[in-house]
Amino acid sequence: GQNIDQPTEMTATEGAIVQINCTYQTSGFNGLFWYQQHAGEAPTFLSYNVLDGLEEKGRFSSFLSRSKGYSYLLLKELQMKDSASYLCAASNQAGTALIFGKGTTLSVSS
Amino acid sequence: DAGVIQSPRHEVTEMGQEVTLRCKLISGHNSLFWYRQTMMRGLELLIYFNNNVPIDDSGMPEDRFSAKMPNASFSTLKIQPSEPRDSAVYFCASSQGVGANYGYTFGSGTRLTVV
Repeated sequence: GQNIDQPTEMTATEGAIVQINCTYQTSGFNGLFWYQQHAGEAPTFLSYNVLDGLEEKGRFSSFLSRSKGYSYLLLKELQMKDSASYLCAASNQAGTALIFGKGTTLSVSS
Repeated sequence: DAGVIQSPRHEVTEMGQEVTLRCKLISGHNSLFWYRQTMMRGLELLIYFNNNVPIDDSGMPEDRFSAKMPNASFSTLKIQPSEPRDSAVYFCASSQGVGANYGYTFGSGTRLTVV
């Protein structure tokens, strides 16, 4: 089967660093994606990890441990505009489509 | 590039009516995915196509739901008859391949309300 778990909500303040964790269980793993979704909008691609380790892209970084079925998204120098839902996604059993977690709603306050 | 285009953006219909949602893929993309998003269940995969052929429709909740891809750039999702529990945001997404290592581009979604 497939299961993706991430916290429902997180809060942080401007300028801070926040880490959003994701654990997954899937037998057809082809990599781990993170998407950002602002309220009322479509999900947009943030990052993709297929190998273990950290991928850095500006203020956002994503980490993957395949052996532990674990990933995290690290957001640095938080800004108000980072308030959004962050969706973790992994491939389905056949490795042909993405299955999404329910998302973590991040609220950034001043 | 106009991106993935969905229509309508909003749809309000009465229970029992037929609803048709439309999606136009990005030029050059050959895979199409339909998702449904609710607060309770998050983003659920309904069905997906590769090169116009349905690959997996196991996520379609009931026989009331059907999807077609009559050509390489266009797809429809139909609900007949609609029920209040079908109320959700329906997204389509396209990618360059069926393998999950391709990123998806999502359309803006159709917010469906069945009363």
